[in-house]
Amino acid sequence: SQELEQSPQSLIVQEGKNLTINCTSSKTLYGLYWYKQKYGEGLIFLMMLQKGGEEKSHEKITAKLDEKKQQSSLHITASQPSHAGIYLCGADVGSGYALNFGKGTSLLVTP
Amino acid sequence: EAGVAQSPRYKIIEKRQSVAFWCNPISGHATLYWYQQILGQGPKLLIQFQNNGVVDDSQLPKDRFSAERLKGVDSTLKIQPAKLEDSAVYLCASSLWPNLAGVSYNEQFFGPGTRLTVL
Repeated sequence: SQELEQSPQSLIVQEGKNLTINCTSSKTLYGLYWYKQKYGEGLIFLMMLQKGGEEKSHEKITAKLDEKKQQSSLHITASQPSHAGIYLCGADVGSGYALNFGKGTSLLVTP
Repeated sequence: EAGVAQSPRYKIIEKRQSVAFWCNPISGHATLYWYQQILGQGPKLLIQFQNNGVVDDSQLPKDRFSAERLKGVDSTLKIQPAKLEDSAVYLCASSLWPNLAGVSYNEQFFGPGTRLTVL
């Protein structure tokens, strides 16, 4: 089965700083989803990557899928308190099937 | 557009009791997923429906968990009897798959979850 490892497990950054979260797969990724979860809430879709080398951005968040398609990174520029939450990567295991998620990275942004 | 609705939001029960969770997906979404998220872990699939048929229930502990989606719309997940290790957030998600209407990926829309505590 496919294992997803996220690093770091948790992160505390000062407001305005940049940060990167990594998601490494034990197998080739055919589709990689990034979601954000706030405490007590469901998951919010951020973006999805399919092609090796692909990069997508939304507001101050950029995600990349490496050429070998076994790792993805999520980069936040000039972090804000609103970025706080748990970031989860999920691998697409087949057309329409459920996602296989990593354990998540907990982000806290301090003033 | 209304999102995925779940109820109740919180539930506290004692072990060996039974409990049921309800999910109403986004209108028109053919596929519905139930995930279990234990504290500190990512969500893990319990069961996936396409309309009222089961697509994948390989990780559902069938001796105590059951789920149905009788009319292909809303769904109920039941645990009977509950164990301490069932304490978790139960997330329901829905998606358009297989009717993606030109979109190249299967975005899943999640509800707020039901937080279950088993004492």
